[in-house]
Amino acid sequence: GAVVSQHPSRVICKSGTSVKIECRSLDFQATTMFWYRQFPKQSLMLMATSNEGSKATYEQGVEKDKFLINHASLTLSTLTVTSAHPEDSSFYICSAMGGRGKRQPQHFGDGTRLSIL
Amino acid sequence: DAKTTQPNSMESNEEEPVHLPCNHSTISGTDYIHWYRQLPSQGPEYVIHGLTSNVNNRMASLAIAEDRKSSTLILHRATLRDAAVYYCILSNNDMRFGAGTRLTVKP
Repeated sequence: GAVVSQHPSRVICKSGTSVKIECRSLDFQATTMFWYRQFPKQSLMLMATSNEGSKATYEQGVEKDKFLINHASLTLSTLTVTSAHPEDSSFYICSAMGGRGKRQPQHFGDGTRLSIL
Repeated sequence: DAKTTQPNSMESNEEEPVHLPCNHSTISGTDYIHWYRQLPSQGPEYVIHGLTSNVNNRMASLAIAEDRKSSTLILHRATLRDAAVYYCILSNNDMRFGAGTRLTVKP
């Protein structure tokens, strides 16, 4: 099946640090990638949707200057949490969808657990 | 906001079938019904999806009501490894997740 690689799997860093998370589709071209955040015992919360070569569409309440998303190629999207603070600690998950239209399933990465001290 | 409704939790015995329901009364004609599951500390895993007809794959079956306002994910023989949170989402809702159903499988 399709594979999505997310890196790193875990990050622990000091407050004020910027953290970059990579999401790669390994065996298919991802026309659309999604970024989610998940707090303990809660569901996934969609943060933004990105299409290759265009600006990401952010969900209401998600700061685009805080969470920078770049989708420069059909196999790579990155999420940068700028000047991270303890309240940004969460489980961040990316997913990728190949092909056009919403009929395609998503394929998820294994997530990045971000801990800000 | 998610446009699907699922029970918060369900229990099953090992090796018995499990029927996980999902209501999506506001579904549009072009919405695909997707099912994913998530194990603790992992990203969700694709299970199955469909539009109108029932679908089968190696993991599960998806039964879609004739009016498409509800669907049921069927695990034919539950195993302990099937214990997870199961999410039903609609493709035209921009892949937003609801609370899902936490499935517990008892040995």
